[in-house]
Amino acid sequence: GAVVSQHPSRVICKSGTSVKIECRSLDFQATTMFWYRQFPKQSLMLMATSNEGSKATYEQGVEKDKFLINHASLTLSTLTVTSAHPEDSSFYICSARDGGAGDTQYFGPGTRLTVL
Amino acid sequence: DAKTTQPPSMDCAEGRAANLPCNHSTISGNEYVYWYRQIHSQGPQYIIHGLKNNETNEMASLIITEDRKSSTLILPHATLRDTAVYYCIVRVVSYGQNFVFGPGTRLSVLP
Repeated sequence: GAVVSQHPSRVICKSGTSVKIECRSLDFQATTMFWYRQFPKQSLMLMATSNEGSKATYEQGVEKDKFLINHASLTLSTLTVTSAHPEDSSFYICSARDGGAGDTQYFGPGTRLTVL
Repeated sequence: DAKTTQPPSMDCAEGRAANLPCNHSTISGNEYVYWYRQIHSQGPQYIIHGLKNNETNEMASLIITEDRKSSTLILPHATLRDTAVYYCIVRVVSYGQNFVFGPGTRLSVLP
């Protein structure tokens, strides 16, 4: 199946700093990518939909100025957590739709963010 | 998208078939049934999907009832590495839409 990578897999940062997470589709082009967040023992919650070449669409309650999303190419989307705080500590997961495989979406391995 | 109901947890002996049920009684004619799983601290992994007919791939089989109100994911020979949370999702083909994850079924494969 199609492969989606994320980098870094784990990051620890101090409160107030910004963290960038990359999501790449390795063997297919993705016009749409999604960013999810998962807290311990909970299911994935959609944060935003990222469309190549246009502004991201954020879910209700997700601050667009805090979670900056850039989807500059068909294989790369980035999520930047600005001025991170301990409550932003979570597991961040991206997914990408393989346009050549119908509506099937493939997920990255996730990024564990810990804000001290 | 139609709502799904799955048991919160199941156990299965290693080497035996794992049968994971999913109820989707309000499914509409153009909604597909998708199965993903999430192993601890990893991103969800696509398993299989189908519309009406039963489907099989190298990972699993998907059995959809004739009325499409329920389905079963079958892992024919479960291994310890199949321990994960399994999500059943029904949705229309909608290229701009995300997948909505419920609580899923936590499958524990026991030695």
